[in-house]
Amino acid sequence: SYVLTQPPSVSVAPGQTASITCGGNNIGSESVHWYQQKPGQAPVVVVYEETGRPSGIPERFSGSKSGNTATLSISRVEAGDEADYYCQLWDTSSDHAVFGGGTKLTVL
Amino acid sequence: EVQLVESGGGLVQPGGSLRLSCAASGFTFSTYWMTWVRQAPGKGLEWVANIKQDGSEKYYVDSVKGRFTISRDNAKNSVYLQMSSLRAEDTAVYYCAREHCGGGSCYSPAYGMDVWGQGTTVRVSS
Repeated sequence: SYVLTQPPSVSVAPGQTASITCGGNNIGSESVHWYQQKPGQAPVVVVYEETGRPSGIPERFSGSKSGNTATLSISRVEAGDEADYYCQLWDTSSDHAVFGGGTKLTVL
Repeated sequence: EVQLVESGGGLVQPGGSLRLSCAASGFTFSTYWMTWVRQAPGKGLEWVANIKQDGSEKYYVDSVKGRFTISRDNAKNSVYLQMSSLRAEDTAVYYCAREHCGGGSCYSPAYGMDVWGQGTTVRVSS
């Protein structure tokens, strides 16, 4: 089955840029989405289809993809960005949705 | 306001059954694919199942295939998850989510989940 690999944790100082990666075989052929989940809350999509940003999501959140890796970048990180972040795609070969294992972002 | 509200969770014994419901409001429900995602305590998100607008296509994660059934009633703006032969490992918060329509097209569940409910908790234990 398709596997998306994320680092378990990323730490960044306030005001700096956080980069969270998501790796998977043939990820280049699928659309990758990113979700933010704060403790006790439902997930919220922050980037869809690699680079799309829903209304209400700050421009500080952006996505990119290169080769077999997708990246969520959060610029000018704030304390309120501390959360778990998940990547996700729809695997057209198996007709299954797949989530990465999640990355805990810590703001130092 | 666009909203999804789940209900039906609770405590059930191993081998038992439970039916989750998700009521949608604030958008044209029949236009969208709908999805169930779960999260076990302290764990990550796991996709469970999804269903096409007219119910003609349904997909399941392998671990629930044959035990769970997703369905929808567009007249009632609701999607359901019938769960049977429940196991301890099915214990989780279950979220209902709407699949985003990419580029104005809603024909595929490949565009991300743009609206989520608050979740309902299922606990399987004796």
